[in-house]
Amino acid sequence: DTGVSQDPRHKITKRGQNVTFRCDPISEHNRLYWYRQTLGQGPEFLTYFQNEAQLEKSRLLSDRFSAERPKGSFSTLEIQRTEQGDSAMYLCASSSNRGRGHSGNTIYFGEGSWLTVV
Amino acid sequence: TQLLEQSPQFLSIQEGENLTVYCNSSSVFSSLQWYRQEPGEGPVLLVTVVTGGEVKKLKRLTFQFGDARKDSSLHITAAQPGDTGLYLCAGDRTGGFKTIFGAGTRLFVKA
Repeated sequence: DTGVSQDPRHKITKRGQNVTFRCDPISEHNRLYWYRQTLGQGPEFLTYFQNEAQLEKSRLLSDRFSAERPKGSFSTLEIQRTEQGDSAMYLCASSSNRGRGHSGNTIYFGEGSWLTVV
Repeated sequence: TQLLEQSPQFLSIQEGENLTVYCNSSSVFSSLQWYRQEPGEGPVLLVTVVTGGEVKKLKRLTFQFGDARKDSSLHITAAQPGDTGLYLCAGDRTGGFKTIFGAGTRLFVKA
């Protein structure tokens, strides 16, 4: 399978603990995105990378959140001192800037990582 | 305030009926995408529309991009229970690479 993969799929953690999610994008894609989705809502943009550079961060991404993409391939999203309000599905997506004029910036999602903070 | 407004929010119909869902904005988008999402899974891409006025068909699904590239619609003919899910529109504005999403239309098709 050469799609976007995320790990772990589910994580239950106690409030105050740190958690880290990993995303492996589609191999030829140079852009990588993180979104958060809560029940009944569409995905909310958190941040995106072009290669290893983090080009934009949402105001939703508080200082407890940090994302990295050190070699321009896989990415990690770490949440420190988790709070119950962090409970959500964290979605990773990737895209390529090749041929954008014909296909738009279409992004492809992984299956998501569910976080439950108790 | 959502930059992309989807309507209706919820739709419950009988198998065999037709339906249209809408995605509207006051901003111009260089492209719009439609995704379908099932509970506990990531969104799955259905289509990308790029050119104003463009119409794309995918079996019983017809997608249209508005002439001004500010809105889009998804029409489903003869809906089936397998069409049940959350339909999301998404787009990136001209000159940007950040894809934003609407809140979605939750469709339930009863057998």
